[in-house]
Formats: sequence, C-alpha cells, structure tokens
Amino acid sequence: SQELEQSPQSLIVQEGKNLTINCTSSKTLYGLYWYKQKYGEGLIFLMMLQKGGEEKSHEKITAKLDEKKQQSSLHITASQPSHAGIYLCVSGGSNYKLTFGKGTLLTVNP
Amino acid sequence: EPEVTQTPSHQVTQMGQEVILRCVPISNHLYFYWYRQILGQKVEFLVSFYNNEISEKSEIFDDQFSVERPDGSNFTLKIRSTKLEDSAMYFCASRRDDQPQHFGDGTRLSIL
Repeated sequence: SQELEQSPQSLIVQEGKNLTINCTSSKTLYGLYWYKQKYGEGLIFLMMLQKGGEEKSHEKITAKLDEKKQQSSLHITASQPSHAGIYLCVSGGSNYKLTFGKGTLLTVNP
Repeated sequence: EPEVTQTPSHQVTQMGQEVILRCVPISNHLYFYWYRQILGQKVEFLVSFYNNEISEKSEIFDDQFSVERPDGSNFTLKIRSTKLEDSAMYFCASRRDDQPQHFGDGTRLSIL
C-alpha cells in the first residue's frame, strides 16, 4: 500500500515568514492533492497536481510535484495567522480513493 | 459555494447501539465517500459509492458497516453494533467527474 511521509510534523513560524512542507510518496503519484484541516472543521481542498513538474499557485500558496512524481512540496509566502492549521498531503488511487499523510501542523505567531 | 453537510456534528452512543451518520453531498455530485479519523491518527478511507452501489471498501468496512442513499439527497453511514474502537471523526465527501473531493465538517462519534 502507498505511504505518504510528510515533513516536518509540526512547524512554528513568525507571521510574515516563508515556509515549506514536503511530502514523499513510497510509490509514483498519479494524483496529488493538498488539503488543509482546522481543528473541529472539515478538510478544505487547496490544490491538485497531476503532471510531473507541475506547479500551481493560489494566493500565497504554491505547490509543486516533482518530475518523477514521488515528491511534492507546499510553499507559503509571507505567512499569516489565517494560514495556521494542519496541511495534509493526499494521493488519489483507484475509484479516487484517497490516501492521506499524517499532516503537518502549522502555527503562525503574530 | 455549495457545501457537503453532515449531521449531527457530535454523536454520543452506548456501546452496542446502532448509529446512523448523515450526509448531504453537493447536489450535482455523483461519487460519494466516507472516511474516518481516529484521534491522533491519519484520515482513513472507508468506502466509496457510485450509481447506488459500493465501488470500493476498505478492510475497516466490515459487516457492521453499511451505506445507503435513501433518496436523491442524503447519503448515510450506519454502524450496526458500535464498539469502543469506532470512536472517531467521520467525514463524508463527494465529487463529480474527475474533480477533487469536497469534504463535510465531520461527525465526531463517541462510544461510551
């Protein structure tokens, strides 16, 4: 079965700082999603990557999928308290069954 | 923006009792899913559902679990005889075509 390893497990940054979260898969990724989870709330879709070398941006968040499609990174520029939460690396499988990483807990201090 | 809605937000049930978790997927979505997250652990796939039948299920989804789409809007997860280890956050998700899955806010199930 596929395993997704995220690093770091947790991250504390000062507001305004940049940060990167990494995700490594044990198998080739055929669909890679980034979701965000806030305590007590659902999972919010951020971005979907499917092609090797693909890069997508939304507001201050950029996600990349490497050429070999086994690693992805999520980069946040000029972090804000609203970016705080748990970032989940998620892969798609047959029937679009999703496999989740353990998540990276991001704290942004004002 | 359309949302996936789950009720109740928190369910407390005695061990051995039946529980039904309810979800209203986004109206034009055709594919439905249940996931669960035990406290401190990863989100895990339970079951996928399309065209009124189960497409795929995990090892977790044993005979105690069932899903149903009783009408055009609701999608339910039933646990027949709950166990302590069923305590978790249960998430419903839906999608259309090859778009990403949209998740509800979850139901926290506590088994006493």
